[in-house]
Amino acid sequence: GAVVSQHPSWVICKSGTSVKIECRSLDFQATTMFWYRQFPKQSLMLMATSNEGSKATYEQGVEKDKFLINHASLTLSTLTVTSAHPEDSSFYICSARPPGGLYNEQFFGPGTRLTVL
Amino acid sequence: LAKTTQPISMDSYEGQEVNITCSHNNIATNDYITWYQQFPSQGPRFIIQGYKTKVTNEVASLFIPADRKSSTLSLPRVSLSDTAVYYCLVAPTGRDDKIIFGKGTRLHILP
Repeated sequence: GAVVSQHPSWVICKSGTSVKIECRSLDFQATTMFWYRQFPKQSLMLMATSNEGSKATYEQGVEKDKFLINHASLTLSTLTVTSAHPEDSSFYICSARPPGGLYNEQFFGPGTRLTVL
Repeated sequence: LAKTTQPISMDSYEGQEVNITCSHNNIATNDYITWYQQFPSQGPRFIIQGYKTKVTNEVASLFIPADRKSSTLSLPRVSLSDTAVYYCLVAPTGRDDKIIFGKGTRLHILP
């Protein structure tokens, strides 16, 4: 099956700093990738759709200036949490669907655990 | 997107067959039913997808009645490693690929 990776797998930072998370599709090209956030014992919440070569589309209530998304190539999307605060501590997960794959069959990365002190 | 309702949690024992039912009363004609599995601290994994009747793969079976207003994910002979959250999704194909997750069912397998 298709593989999506994320880096780093975990990160701890101080309040006020920015953190970049990478999402890569290893064996397929993805014009669209998705970013989710998940708090403990809760479901995944879709944050934004990352579009290769164009601006990301953010879900209602997600601050686009806070969560910067860049999809500069067909295999890489990055999420930057700017001026992180403790309430941004969460599990961030990305996903993508290979071309020609089943609709609604997304391949998810392993997630990045962000802890803001 | 059609709203789905699943039990919040379920317990079962190793070796048992587990059935998780999902209700989706307002499913549309072009909607497919998809199930995902998520282990703690991991991204979700696609399990199975179907439109009607029965679909089976190496992991699970999906039963969909004729009216499609519900579906049942069946896990045969579960083991401790099947402890996870299972999400039922109902969405049309050929759209923007966006997946909106519901609350899911937290399945706990006991020894």
